[in-house]
Amino acid sequence: DAGVIQSPRHEVTEMGQEVTLRCKPISGHNSLFWYRQTMMRGLELLIYFNNNVPIDDSGMPEDRFSAKMPNASFSTLKIQPSEPRDSAVYFCASSLVGGNNYGYTFGSGTRLTVV
Amino acid sequence: GNSVTQMEGPVTLSEEAFLTINCTYTATGYPSLFWYVQYPGEGLQLLLKATKADDKGSNKGFEATYRKETTSFHLEKGSVQVSDSAVYFCALISGAQKLVFGQGTRLTINP
Repeated sequence: DAGVIQSPRHEVTEMGQEVTLRCKPISGHNSLFWYRQTMMRGLELLIYFNNNVPIDDSGMPEDRFSAKMPNASFSTLKIQPSEPRDSAVYFCASSLVGGNNYGYTFGSGTRLTVV
Repeated sequence: GNSVTQMEGPVTLSEEAFLTINCTYTATGYPSLFWYVQYPGEGLQLLLKATKADDKGSNKGFEATYRKETTSFHLEKGSVQVSDSAVYFCALISGAQKLVFGQGTRLTINP
């Protein structure tokens, strides 16, 4: 298995532009998580899906952020419009919830810079 | 609710020193416990895990024992290497709930 695949690895965009981050979870996993990591706030859970359905989006900072999971093999996190304070590393992770609690598998992340 | 508390970093050691990173938790039910490691520029990787009391997780020379009586899961390594420099996260999951992370501890090993 190739693991959790995120794209792009790096994204530089101008303030006000729309940004879309992509994630392909591990085949067979039924839960997907989006995290944001910054030096100031550490690792923050933004939203998670179970069986493609959003379960908890309380970590999404504001309406500019949205996430979708149209099928079991793909998810997007969109920021529109982007702002400099959105600069961070965004991680996607997947898991088999209800299994033997083996934890999450993380992707390599997308480093977003908004200038 | 569930929570994880790690010793604050950063931690700086010399090569071949003994390492302990403390982790304590609060949880309902019977959680599974994890240590994740994040090397510079990479995502988090599962380092080791323990799913029930008194279990010992181990990997790459690191060990942690699930202590229910003290609600702890301290990470140890007998002789650290420069390549162990990374950020270490303690975490737990209980039932079908989401994984809860500690704040992370940055470890730097000097040659």
